[in-house]
Amino acid sequence: AQSVTQPDIHITVSEGASLELRCNYSYGATPYLFWYVQSPGQGLQLLLKYFSGDTLVQGIKGFEAEFKRSQSSFNLRKPSVHWSDAAEYFCAVGANGGFKTIFGAGTRLFVKA
Amino acid sequence: DGGITQSPKYLFRKEGQNVTLSCEQNLNHDAMYWYRQDPGQGLRLIYYSQIVNDFQKGDIAEGYSVSREKKESFPLTVTSAQKNPTAFYLCASSSDRAYYGYTFGSGTRLTVV
Repeated sequence: AQSVTQPDIHITVSEGASLELRCNYSYGATPYLFWYVQSPGQGLQLLLKYFSGDTLVQGIKGFEAEFKRSQSSFNLRKPSVHWSDAAEYFCAVGANGGFKTIFGAGTRLFVKA
Repeated sequence: DGGITQSPKYLFRKEGQNVTLSCEQNLNHDAMYWYRQDPGQGLRLIYYSQIVNDFQKGDIAEGYSVSREKKESFPLTVTSAQKNPTAFYLCASSSDRAYYGYTFGSGTRLTVV
């Protein structure tokens, strides 16, 4: 069965420092992979997606992610974090052509001044 | 602007009552989804619909029902059979190319009193 693991429940980084959020997935075929961000009490916003082609994908707000098939990973990165990046981040894998998307439990990011 | 509207934002229900959560989109998307979010568990799929008059059960459909009579609308009914309905409910939509990702509404917080 498909599954997504986000090993870190929460992460704290200093403003201006680099960020990497980890994501591992389990899926039999080539996966559709996503990262979403959620502010408290709000819906989710799509940051970036991978479904084919270049394994390094760029997203909105300066985020990028790299698909590594050998490691079943899709880690999210940002070179310099801003205080406004504090939120919860969800990794997801899309099955059934993307019509059945499975989400990880999320990683909450705290940014300290 | 195109988007997804969920209403109400907050909903209180007495035990034994059915309640219906509204979800409307004006994105001309074919597919719509309902997810339930609980702290520390990420999002879990309740139902999804790829086309009008058709829908599929997700991972936690018991105690819930949906209809898809119009392309724009996908209401969710939380029935009295749902044993633990207190949660944050998110509606989403996508084009028929679901691997491009979802657009989410801002959610409805349901509390049983």
